[in-house]
Amino acid sequence: EAGVTQSPTHLIKTRGQQATLRCSPISGHTSVYWYQQALGLGLQFLLWYDEGEERNRGNFPPRFSGRQFPNYSSELNVNALELEDSALYLCARAKREEDTQYFGPGTRLTVL
Amino acid sequence: GEDVEQSLFLSVREGDSSVINCTYTDSSSTYLYWYKQEPGAGLQLLTYIFSNMDMKQDQRLTVLLNKKDKHLSLRIADTQTGDSAIYFCAESSDSGGGADGLTFGKGTHLIIQP
Repeated sequence: EAGVTQSPTHLIKTRGQQATLRCSPISGHTSVYWYQQALGLGLQFLLWYDEGEERNRGNFPPRFSGRQFPNYSSELNVNALELEDSALYLCARAKREEDTQYFGPGTRLTVL
Repeated sequence: GEDVEQSLFLSVREGDSSVINCTYTDSSSTYLYWYKQEPGAGLQLLTYIFSNMDMKQDQRLTVLLNKKDKHLSLRIADTQTGDSAIYFCAESSDSGGGADGLTFGKGTHLIIQP
């Protein structure tokens, strides 16, 4: 939606490894939200970055972290992967003065 | 905490209208959204409504909001096979998501019968 891209499309890791997921910028959209869509749990808010800073995080442990770069692209890092981290991870771009969030296609993370 | 509830499945015949319902609990919800997710894809924003409105129409889509009952519905007129997807209701108390992002329901699977 609206040009948001995420990479990789799919990622397979084993327990204990680390995963890095990426989200591309849209010009002028300074905010990035990350969500986890796990089977049976629906979409849950993970992290919010705005103007390069982490502004808020959802109810997730510290091994979920990330950053936002000067060009407003973003990375989500998941350390010490657990089986239940298997999910679709979606990023969304937003502008403070707009009312909506535009989602990327997601990264499917599978932890074996 | 805030909660958004939707029924899990809705089955309709092609050409009929589909009505997907959603209830929410947060009285400070200001923005209410409908997103569509096709298999293997991300979320596509369909439409959204402010809490000071009670209806919004956009081509085949009609959104009705009953703020007193905290009830939101999405009507899709003349449902087509391409409408088959999961439909998510979401709310936010702040423009663009604010500090806590959007709160989503678990999604309604819309199944189209020929």
